[in-house]
Amino acid sequence: DIVLTQAPLSVSVTPGESASISCRSSKSLLSSKGITSLYWYLQRPGKSPQLLIYQMSNLASGVPDRFSSSGSETDFTLKISKVETEDVGVYYCGHRLEYPLTFGSGTKLEIK
Amino acid sequence: QVQLKESGPGLVQPSETLSLTCTVSGFSLTSNSVHWVRQPPGKGLEWMGIIRSGGSTDYNSALKSRLSISRDTSKSQVFLKMNSLQTEDTAIYYCTIPQGWGQGVMVTVSS
Repeated sequence: DIVLTQAPLSVSVTPGESASISCRSSKSLLSSKGITSLYWYLQRPGKSPQLLIYQMSNLASGVPDRFSSSGSETDFTLKISKVETEDVGVYYCGHRLEYPLTFGSGTKLEIK
Repeated sequence: QVQLKESGPGLVQPSETLSLTCTVSGFSLTSNSVHWVRQPPGKGLEWMGIIRSGGSTDYNSALKSRLSISRDTSKSQVFLKMNSLQTEDTAIYYCTIPQGWGQGVMVTVSS
């Protein structure tokens, strides 16, 4: 199974500042079709996860452009610019390269 | 608008079978795959399995011997059945497609 390792476990950010979350994969997530199968989700407190980023760098519908993602085949970074209070929650990376799908253990974002 | 809604019993006895339903709207099951994902209280996400648009399935190997996913396309419903439940199966169970997730249903395994 592909192991996704997230860092840090938690991050505390002042509103208006930026935050970065790292996700490292135990295997290349570049598919034979040339798509990097890395996804980012946000789970707000008491809510279901929601998709933020698909295929490593594409914003999901309705997601503000304060969110961005980049990376290589195995190392990825989610960046949140100008953090707002509504960004509080747990961020998960996940892949869809093969079965089983797996997720990182999550990074909790808090507001200072 | 894509919507998914899980339903099922909130409490299941140990060793019994869990049956959950995911009712969808805003898309067709014959054109989209549906996944089941669960989340134990305070913990991370675990992928359980998928039923593809064509009806084939794949399961997490850790659950494969106990898990079955099926569907009724005429009712826009996907079903999850898992037997021999134990306390460690206590979790929120979600059905999901790439575009969205259901609200989840909390299942507690306890006598």
